[in-house]
Amino acid sequence: AQSVTQLGSHVSVSEGALVLLRCNYSSSVPPYLFWYVQYPNQGLQLLLKYTSAATLVKGINGFEAEFKKSETSFHLTKPSAHMSDAAEYFCAVSESGSRLTFGEGTQLTVNP
Amino acid sequence: NAGVTQTPKFQVLKTGQSMTLQCAQDMNHEYMSWYRQDPGMGLRLIHYSVGAGITDQGEVPNGYNVSRSTTEDFPLRLLSAAPSQTSVYFCASSSVYLGYGYTFGSGTRLTVV
Repeated sequence: AQSVTQLGSHVSVSEGALVLLRCNYSSSVPPYLFWYVQYPNQGLQLLLKYTSAATLVKGINGFEAEFKKSETSFHLTKPSAHMSDAAEYFCAVSESGSRLTFGEGTQLTVNP
Repeated sequence: NAGVTQTPKFQVLKTGQSMTLQCAQDMNHEYMSWYRQDPGMGLRLIHYSVGAGITDQGEVPNGYNVSRSTTEDFPLRLLSAAPSQTSVYFCASSSVYLGYGYTFGSGTRLTVV
């Protein structure tokens, strides 16, 4: 069965600082992995996805994530936080592509 | 492209009432799903479909029905609304040709009183 654990329900960084949001997954087969962002009162927007090509995946808005099979991790990073990055971030896993399993989400706060 | 369209955006129901949440996509995606979002619980899968005429249950299917008669539409029916179904509901669609990156609708905020 597939599952996702996001470490830290709230993360706070200063503007310009490194953003690191942690995601660990469990899957019985090579997974598809995703990061989504949700701004207040909006739907989810796909940031990036891993589909067994390059292990370092670049997404929109300067975010990237690295797939580490040995650690079953898919952490999301951004070198320099911007105020507009404040949102909730969700990691998701899929074994077959037909159903996603989401983590509980991490609320990112960016302080001026 | 309109993407994934959900209607209505807001709805208040009384306990025991039934209703249908509408979802339509114009991208010819074969996969469609319904999720509910509750605080601190992320998104949980209610039902999903891998093509017209094919549906299956997700994590939390009780109290909900779906059907998929066309590729474009995937309505979610609440049979007899309960306060526990107060939530924000999201419809999403995807395609194997897009690496399964799902496109989400803007959501329906449902309150059951």
